[in-house]
Amino acid sequence: AQSVSQHNHHVILSEAASLELGCNYSYGGTVNLFWYVQYPGQHLQLLLKYFSGDPLVKGIKGFEAEFIKSKFSFNLRKPSVQWSDTAEYFCAVNGGENTDKLIFGTGTRLQVFP
Amino acid sequence: NAGVMQNPRHLVRRRGQEARLRCSPMKGHSHVYWYRQLPEEGLKFMVYLQKENIIDESGMPKERFSAEFPKEGPSILRIQQVVRGDSAAYFCASSLTTGISYEQYFGPGTRLTVT
Repeated sequence: AQSVSQHNHHVILSEAASLELGCNYSYGGTVNLFWYVQYPGQHLQLLLKYFSGDPLVKGIKGFEAEFIKSKFSFNLRKPSVQWSDTAEYFCAVNGGENTDKLIFGTGTRLQVFP
Repeated sequence: NAGVMQNPRHLVRRRGQEARLRCSPMKGHSHVYWYRQLPEEGLKFMVYLQKENIIDESGMPKERFSAEFPKEGPSILRIQQVVRGDSAAYFCASSLTTGISYEQYFGPGTRLTVT
C-alpha cells in the first residue's frame, strides 16, 4: 500500500531562514504529488503539485518542491520564510491503485518567529 | 478557497446522538471525497462518491458511518450513535474529474466534538 512519510513533525525557524521539509512516498509507479498548507483555523490550500514534466515545481508564496524519483522524495523548500508562513504543511500522493484518493503524510508544523 | 462549502462548521453532539455533515462541491464538480483528521494526525481518506454512487469506501469504518451524494443536493456524511473517538475534523473535497491529472479542492471542514 502507498504511504507518505514526513519526518519533520515540528520545525521552528526565525524569519528569513531557509526552509526544507522532507516528504518521502512508497509507491514505485506513476504518481501525482502535492503539498497542501493549513493555516491556523483554516482549510487546506494547495501550495503546489507535480503531475509530470519538470521535476522542479514552483508554487504559490515562493514555495517550490523537487521531485526526485530515485529517492521517492518530494521535498518542499522556501529560501526565506516569513512569520505568515506559520502553518501546518501536508505532503500527499495519489497514483496506482489509489488514483482516486489522496494519501497524506502526518504533517509538519512550522512556526516562524519574527 | 475553490468554493467547496461545508456545514455546519462546528458540531457538538452527545454520545449516542447522530451527526450529519454536509458538503456542497464546487460548481460543475461531480466527484466528492471525505477525509477525517484526528488530533495530531494527517488526513485519512474515508470515501469517494460520484452522483448517486459510492465509488470507494475503503476508508470508512464498518459500522455507524455512511455517506451519500444524491442526484440533487449536497453530499452527506452520517455518523450514527457517535462516540468520543469520532471527535475530529471532517473535510470534504471535490474534483472536476478523475484520473491521473486531476486536483481536489478542499472545503473548510466540520469540527465534530462528541461530549
